[in-house]
Amino acid sequence: RKEVEQDPGPFNVPEGATVAFNCTYSNSASQSFFWYRQDCRKEPKLLMSVYSSGNEDGRFTAQLNRASQYISLLIRDSKLSDSATYLCAVNDGAGGSYIPTFGRGTSLIVHP
Amino acid sequence: IAGITQAPTSQILAAGRRMTLRCTQDMRHNAMYWYRQDLGLGLRLIHYSNTAGTTGKGEVPDGYSVSRANTDDFPLTLASAVPSQTSVYFCASSDPGLPGNEQFFGPGTRLTVL
Repeated sequence: RKEVEQDPGPFNVPEGATVAFNCTYSNSASQSFFWYRQDCRKEPKLLMSVYSSGNEDGRFTAQLNRASQYISLLIRDSKLSDSATYLCAVNDGAGGSYIPTFGRGTSLIVHP
Repeated sequence: IAGITQAPTSQILAAGRRMTLRCTQDMRHNAMYWYRQDLGLGLRLIHYSNTAGTTGKGEVPDGYSVSRANTDDFPLTLASAVPSQTSVYFCASSDPGLPGNEQFFGPGTRLTVL
């Protein structure tokens, strides 16, 4: 069982819709959390870090729920260009080694 | 160079051959990583290096070796390639000293072992 779990989707939504992804993690000592975006046949790129108080960047909102051990990503007013795979990453920072564990990704398809 | 570069972009290799995938970063990041990405399995860590001169094993290290002679370069070697090593390989770097410690990825190498 992977330590970081995501619903693989695909999530198929119309333009303008609001869509939310969750990512659960098993290590309660995890310290930092991220959402990455990966386009087809490209490398992952950081979308946003996830802070304890939650954070927002334009149409994107990320939240952390430590009690239930999950992070979420909310995308409002979806655009065609939001179509991609979204990877969550969790870093426990154990022993000074900052090696994140990635989820397998959630595929989003935004259609006209 | 800006960020991380990988070479080659793609390669078709006969089984049993030796292959080195190159990775270079110019951000002076201490930590570097090699991942493979396969459909349905996501990113899996092969090897990592927290700083020049040190390396560690990740989730799937068998059949691969790495070296970290300096800060910028982190080559991955397949000593004797097998078809199960067909994959997309991503190199990444990060600097734990910076807030967030997010990873920066190279463009990837698509490797096919026949």
